[in-house]
Amino acid sequence: DAGITQSPRHKVTETGTPVTLRCHQTENHRYMYWYRQDPGHGLRLIHYSYGVKDTDKGEVSDGYSVSRSKTEDFLLTLESATSSQTSVYFCAIANAVGDTQYFGPGTRLTVL
Amino acid sequence: DQQVKQNSPSLSVQEGRISILNCDYTNSMFDYFLWYKKYPAEGPTFLISISSIKDKNEDGRFTVFLNKSAKHLSLHIVPSQPGDSAVYFCAAPHRFAGNQFYFGTGTSLTVIP
Repeated sequence: DAGITQSPRHKVTETGTPVTLRCHQTENHRYMYWYRQDPGHGLRLIHYSYGVKDTDKGEVSDGYSVSRSKTEDFLLTLESATSSQTSVYFCAIANAVGDTQYFGPGTRLTVL
Repeated sequence: DQQVKQNSPSLSVQEGRISILNCDYTNSMFDYFLWYKKYPAEGPTFLISISSIKDKNEDGRFTVFLNKSAKHLSLHIVPSQPGDSAVYFCAAPHRFAGNQFYFGTGTSLTVIP
């Protein structure tokens, strides 16, 4: 299994509070991704990174920001959480363009 | 607009029979396709892939077929086992957009013992 961990694994928070999710990899892969999974929508890309300090938006980026200051860490921040951001969040990594993506175990976030 | 589509949200199959999961895509730039399997409370795991230069790829009980002219791929599982019960996603990477993967909405397979 690819060395990907996500923290926290579960979080309950209140509307309007900031939340940061962490993805950590030990594979030294260049590409890192944040997805959210919702019923009826499958996996949707939020943001991705193609190198340290290099990030770009995905399909559903509104309300989210990311940072990647080290190869191994990719942070997803919800500046002011809303109930519509209740979801399961997955981090993924890939070594190069065209390579398979490998996923972390997920973080279940509930915004009350 | 959904570039990768799975039109069957669920499928039930008897143990030992064939499971066929379908996927359609719209972007003719896609040249590589993958299937992922996901159990509850776990991340998706890679199952099998196919390049557009092939029309079939087989790995044990799993075979993926690609019909480029129809922009359609299918995953066959033979024989189906109860442990195959999971959600299956098809996906395609966009090589010219940071290797973004486009995922279908998933098909939940239940294999009945």
